[in-house]
Amino acid sequence: AQSVTQPDIHITVSEGASLELRCNYSYGATPYLFWYVQSPGQGLQLLLKYFSGDTLVQGIKGFEAEFKRSQSSFNLRKPSVHWSDAAEYFCAVGRDSWGKLQFGAGTQVVVTP
Amino acid sequence: GAVVSQHPSRVICKSGTSVKIECRSLDFQATTMFWYRQFPKQSLMLMATSNEGSKATYEQGVEKDKFLINHASLTLSTLTVTSAHPEDSSFYICSARGLTTDEQFFGPGTRLTVL
Repeated sequence: AQSVTQPDIHITVSEGASLELRCNYSYGATPYLFWYVQSPGQGLQLLLKYFSGDTLVQGIKGFEAEFKRSQSSFNLRKPSVHWSDAAEYFCAVGRDSWGKLQFGAGTQVVVTP
Repeated sequence: GAVVSQHPSRVICKSGTSVKIECRSLDFQATTMFWYRQFPKQSLMLMATSNEGSKATYEQGVEKDKFLINHASLTLSTLTVTSAHPEDSSFYICSARGLTTDEQFFGPGTRLTVL
């Protein structure tokens, strides 16, 4: 069965420090992978996506993610976090390029001064 | 970028009543809209997929008679929670996918509280 796991429910990071959010998936076929960010009062915003090709994907707001097929992972990284990066982050797997999405449980990121 | 709105943003209703939530794509035509439900501190669970002009496709375990979805135009989909009960209290989120844009855009969500 298809599944998406985000092992970290909550992460606290200092402003300026690096951030890595983990995502593992279980899917039979080549997955379509996404990272979204959810801020209060706003809709989910797409940070980046992976369909095929280069396994290191660059996204918006300085985020990047690396697809590792051998580890079934698609971890999100940012070299230096800003206070505005405090939000809920969701990893998602798509059954096709833009169809139905299955989301992970989310990781709440808190940024401290 | 494309904008999706939801109305209302918050609604409180009495048990047994019905509530309608609107999802609109403001600057693009949405061929497909998705409805999700999100419980506190939990993930988004896909409830149903609706294509303009056709019946919605519900995910397993979602009661189609309780959660009525209508996608009557390319810019509007509605979710009606019929005979709402406290266990229907949740955060409902819609997303829309367009004709010319394959990306799925999300609305800000509607907080439903059933007393």
